[in-house]
This record gives sequence, structure tokens and C-alpha cells, in this order.
Amino acid sequence: GESVGLHLPTLSVQEGDNSIINCAYSNSASDYFIWYKQESGKGPQFIIDIRSNMDKRQGQRVTVLLNKTVKHLSLQIAATQPGDSAVYFCAEKSYGGSQGNLIFGKGTKLSVKP
Amino acid sequence: GAGVSQSPSNKVTEKGKDVELRCDPISGHTALYWYRQSLGQGLEFLIYFQGNSAPDKSGLPSDRFSAERTGGSVSTLTIQRTQQEDSAVYLCASSLGGRTQDTQYFGPGTRLTVL
Repeated sequence: GESVGLHLPTLSVQEGDNSIINCAYSNSASDYFIWYKQESGKGPQFIIDIRSNMDKRQGQRVTVLLNKTVKHLSLQIAATQPGDSAVYFCAEKSYGGSQGNLIFGKGTKLSVKP
Repeated sequence: GAGVSQSPSNKVTEKGKDVELRCDPISGHTALYWYRQSLGQGLEFLIYFQGNSAPDKSGLPSDRFSAERTGGSVSTLTIQRTQQEDSAVYLCASSLGGRTQDTQYFGPGTRLTVL
């Protein structure tokens, strides 16, 4: 059968460069967003989150930008390192809603060239 | 401290057999989630437990899927009469509570292969 892995967006960057990973969300009611990093053979690992009352939040080497007007989320990684190679997922949730689960995007594979 | 653990890490079964997947959440976490991840895909929600409340089963794909959480801690996901399309990585997560901002911490997953 078709390998859906072939359709995973891929971003290839040189070590030391900055990376920008984008995500579009569809639910206007979503007001809480999270980025996860998933290395091969492991579960997703929390990176950073942002609420809809913010448009930018910074962590260590990472920045998340939120544009609610166009329902777009991005993750910026500064000075990308080989250890950053992984699949990155954005996830969304409605703040205070009864729904407990996260809704995940399909992911972007980041490859860092040494 | 210890993170979320899952067992087995890999499970190969024959079509039509039943399987049980286990999740041990982080101690003290009241919320527990099961997700499924097919090859190259994002995570698909299956079921959510929060404290003593009735679980949210809205993501279970068929009545062959069920899950229990005993004593508010360990959870077991059961798939009856497995089909080849059930092949995926099954991920468990837990969070301190069920609030939106409570970070979900994931286990390493169980890779299920149905022959």
C-alpha cells in the first residue's frame, strides 16, 4: 500500500542555521497550542506552548509565533543542532473545554545536516 | 522521576487475536490518554480518563477497542479480533489534571503489528 510517510513535509537545514516549522490549524475555537518533538522510536516530547491571548512566546532556543487571523502557528529553532533532528508536531486544544484530548497535525520532519 | 511507561514495546499478533496494551502513568497524574499513530501520521485520539469521571471514548474507532483504568492509575487498552488496519504505534500520555494547560507527557509507545 501507499506509504503515507512519503507525504510528511520535510525541512532540511544546515547545522547552525535557524529553522522555521509551520502549522495551520482549522478550529477557530482552539485557544491553546503546543509543539511536540518526536525522535525516532520515542513518544512525543513537549517543547513549548502558547495561549491564544499571546502572539509570541520564547523558550530556550525556541520561539512559537501565533497568528490567529490566519490560524497559523510556527516554531522557530535558533542555531539548529543535529540533536534537533526529529518530527515536530503542533497540537491544539480548546481552553476550558470539556474535551481533554489534543488534536495533532501531521508533523514536519526536520533533518539537520552537519 | 519516572516517566510514563508502556508495555510491551513491540507486539506482533495474528489477525483475529485479542491484544492488551498496558500504560503506567506518572505517579500522581489524574488524567490519562490513549492515542494511536499510524506510519508517518499525527496522533489520533482514542480515549481519555480523568479521575473518577466516566471516560471520554469518543475517539475509539470501533467496538473492538476498549480501555480500562484501574484504581486511577494503570490503564489497559484492549483490541479484540485485531485487523491489519489496527497496526500502529499506540501511545499513552498522562497529565497532572485535566486542565487545558496541564502538559501531557507521553510514553514510548507500543508498536503493534497485525499479520
